Amino acid sequence: GENVEQHPSTLSVQEGDSAVIKCTYSDSASNYFPWYKQELGKRPQLIIDIRSNVGEKKDQRIAVTLNKTAKHFSLHITETQPEDSAVYFCAASTAGNQFYFGTGTSLTVIP
Amino acid sequence: SAVISQKPSRDICQRGTSLTIQCQVDSQVTMMFWYRQQPGQSLTLIATANQGSEATYESGFVIDKFPISRPNLTFSTLTVSNMSPEDSSIYLCSVGRQVNTGELFFGEGSRLTVL
Repeated sequence: GENVEQHPSTLSVQEGDSAVIKCTYSDSASNYFPWYKQELGKRPQLIIDIRSNVGEKKDQRIAVTLNKTAKHFSLHITETQPEDSAVYFCAASTAGNQFYFGTGTSLTVIP
Repeated sequence: SAVISQKPSRDICQRGTSLTIQCQVDSQVTMMFWYRQQPGQSLTLIATANQGSEATYESGFVIDKFPISRPNLTFSTLTVSNMSPEDSSIYLCSVGRQVNTGELFFGEGSRLTVL
């Protein structure tokens, strides 16, 4: 199956700074790349996604970029706030709709 | 989005026993999956629950250990058989409305502790 790697595993930023999380995938057939936010004790929630026919997508303070040739995609959070503190997971989806998740990034925003 | 109900939400089980987790969705969905999330870890796909046929298991997971049923388009069960402490984990039901690159929604999860 697909192999998704995610870096860094932990990230601390000052409030107002930007945070960047990077993922790589192995299966060139993957064509959908969502990002999930999981707060402690809660279920993962979709925050943004990108499809393989798009290079970049933005939603307010969150943006995602995709480089299909290099098989990597990134999550960018600008003007971080304490409520952005959570674990973030990237994922890659194949045509069969199975989702394979990265190892997660624990983001801490320091007030 | 879909409303996904899982039960039990948590349980404490004895070694060697089996537990069945239920997942109920408020509307018909095409795709249903079961994931495992061990403490502080990522989400690992166990299997795809296929309606009316045997589930499709990922490498490292077998039907004897994790039998799955999906009798219709709104309901599925996952059984964790002959449990050991290594099975202590959160088990999550997830659904996708669209085949081929649709969104994936998660239930609240079932937290199992095996003593």
